[in-house]
Formats: sequence, C-alpha cells, structure tokens
Amino acid sequence: RKEVEQDPGPFNVPEGATVAFNCTYSNSASQSFFWYRQDCRKEPKLLMSVYSSGNEDGRFTAQLNRASQYISLLIRDSKLSDSATYLCVVSRGGADGLTFGKGTHLIIQP
Amino acid sequence: EPEVTQTPSHQVTQMGQEVILRCVPISNHLYFYWYRQILGQKVEFLVSFYNNEISEKSEIFDDQFSVERPDGSNFTLKIRSTKLEDSAMYFCASGSGGMNYNEQFFGPGTRLTVL
Repeated sequence: RKEVEQDPGPFNVPEGATVAFNCTYSNSASQSFFWYRQDCRKEPKLLMSVYSSGNEDGRFTAQLNRASQYISLLIRDSKLSDSATYLCVVSRGGADGLTFGKGTHLIIQP
Repeated sequence: EPEVTQTPSHQVTQMGQEVILRCVPISNHLYFYWYRQILGQKVEFLVSFYNNEISEKSEIFDDQFSVERPDGSNFTLKIRSTKLEDSAMYFCASGSGGMNYNEQFFGPGTRLTVL
C-alpha cells in the first residue's frame, strides 16, 4: 500500500481558474503535514504546512481531515508561475524524515 | 534569506568508486537530512542527523552510506562503492527544530551519475 497517494495529473487549467488537489496518507501516526512544490529538476520548496484547523496563505488554502487521512490544497486565481509539481508530504513529527507523494503535475495555460 | 547549499551540482563517477556529497545547512538549524530522487520517481528519505548522530535512517541507507558533520558548518553523505542504481538527485535538507518543528528546507541538490 502506497504511503502517500496523489493523482499524478497532469491538470491543465486556464489562468485565473481555481484548482484543487487531494492526497491520502496511510500512516495514522502521521503528525505533520505539508505541501511542497517542485519545479522540473529542482529541489522541493515548502509551500505551506497544513494545520488541523485548516489554513490559508494568500491564494492557497490547505485542509486536513485526520479521520479520513486526507489532505487538500486549493489554489485560487491561478497564475502561469503556479505551473509545477505539487507534493503532498507527511511526517510522524519531531525530527523524523518526510514521506513524499509522487506529486501532482499542474500546467497553467494562458 | 538563508538557504541550504550543496556541492557539487553534478558528479559523474565510475561504478565501485567512492563519492562524497557536501552540504552546508542553514546556520542556526539543528536537524539535518539527506534525501534522494531517482529520475521520474518520488523523493525518498535516507537519513536524519541530530546532535552529531544519526536519529533515523531508511532501509535505503545501508552499509555503503555514511554521514558526517566534520566541522560546524558542513554535512556530508559518503557512498562507499557506488552502484548504477545510485544514480539519482541527492538533496540535503535542514530544519530548526523550533516551533515549526519539522519544516525542512532543501538545497538545490547534487545530481549523481554512476557509469
């Protein structure tokens, strides 16, 4: 069973649209949750941590459902620069290593 | 803005040779990590390091791998006898261990090619 599952996409979305990504994780001991973005052949960059009550950072909103072991990311008013692969990431917390999903590829079209 | 740096950006080596990948974590961070990403696959955790010792390692991190913090700034990953399947992008990451306890920041990576 895959530890972190994501729809690989690609999602082709017109500029200005709203797009949503989902992710499920299998380890119920997971305590920390994140979205990272990764551009082609670059390092993962932290987009936002995901808190139990849900949180928003500008155009980005993240939600966590611990009971369903489900994480989501919503991007509003998408920009061309949002084109990237979005990685759902979980951890047991503390100093533990991160467990990555394979990512969802997003293409914003002009 | 402080960032993690890694050298070299690209390393080409012959199978069976030893390689050392170098990282300079963010200066006030206390937790250090190595990850790898084989082309087209997901990022995989290798090892975490805190207080001058390994705190966690994955099953990928076998006896051919070792890590070291030789001085106050560098953090290295050594692969003793490289195999073809070690070809991957290797990312170093560091975290502060503060309020945002497990947020980790990644370096630009070293692309390792084993021939």
